[in-house]
Amino acid sequence: EDKVVQSPLSLVVHEGDTVTLNCSYEVTNFRSLLWYKQEKKAPTFLFMLTSSGIEKKSGRLSSILDKKELFSILNITATQTGDSAVYLCAVRTTGTASKLTFGTGTRLQVTL
Amino acid sequence: GAVVSQHPSRVICKSGTSVKIECRSLDFQATTMFWYRQFPKQSLMLMATSNEGSKATYEQGVEKDKFLINHASLTLSTLTVTSAHPEDSSFYICSARTTVNEKLFFGSGTQLSVL
Repeated sequence: EDKVVQSPLSLVVHEGDTVTLNCSYEVTNFRSLLWYKQEKKAPTFLFMLTSSGIEKKSGRLSSILDKKELFSILNITATQTGDSAVYLCAVRTTGTASKLTFGTGTRLQVTL
Repeated sequence: GAVVSQHPSRVICKSGTSVKIECRSLDFQATTMFWYRQFPKQSLMLMATSNEGSKATYEQGVEKDKFLINHASLTLSTLTVTSAHPEDSSFYICSARTTVNEKLFFGSGTQLSVL
């Protein structure tokens, strides 16, 4: 059974701090790993990672994948209160039965 | 960016009634749509994968007769919760995968409350 595990489950930081969110996975036929930000309703897409060691950046957010050790990290620098959300990691498999398996998410709260 | 519209956003119904939720891709064609369920403070759980013109593929433990999925066109998939019971109360969310770059876009979700 495909499994995606995120840590920590929740995190409270002060504005300006840097945070690192972790995602490890055990799946057969890995295709890609995706990060989403979920605030109130629908998750919004952040990154899609397919290759090891290549960092993807978008503003203060960055992410990298390690396919040998089967994990990914999401970094947020200089956090702001607007970064408060649940961050979801999902892994997509290949093949005709390709699907997305989500981790439990990390709930991030950024305080003033 | 691509937009997925999901309706209704919230529904309250009596136990025993059926509820239909629509998921539309507004500006792209989606050969595959996914239906998820999310309980409070938990992750998204995939319920089924819906392919246009064919029967949906359900995840283990999801009753296909209770959660009817129809994907009649490249832009519309529907989920019908039949004979809803209070334990079906949950947040249901759909997503659609583009055929071009295979990115996944989510609807805004439907909060179902069964009394």
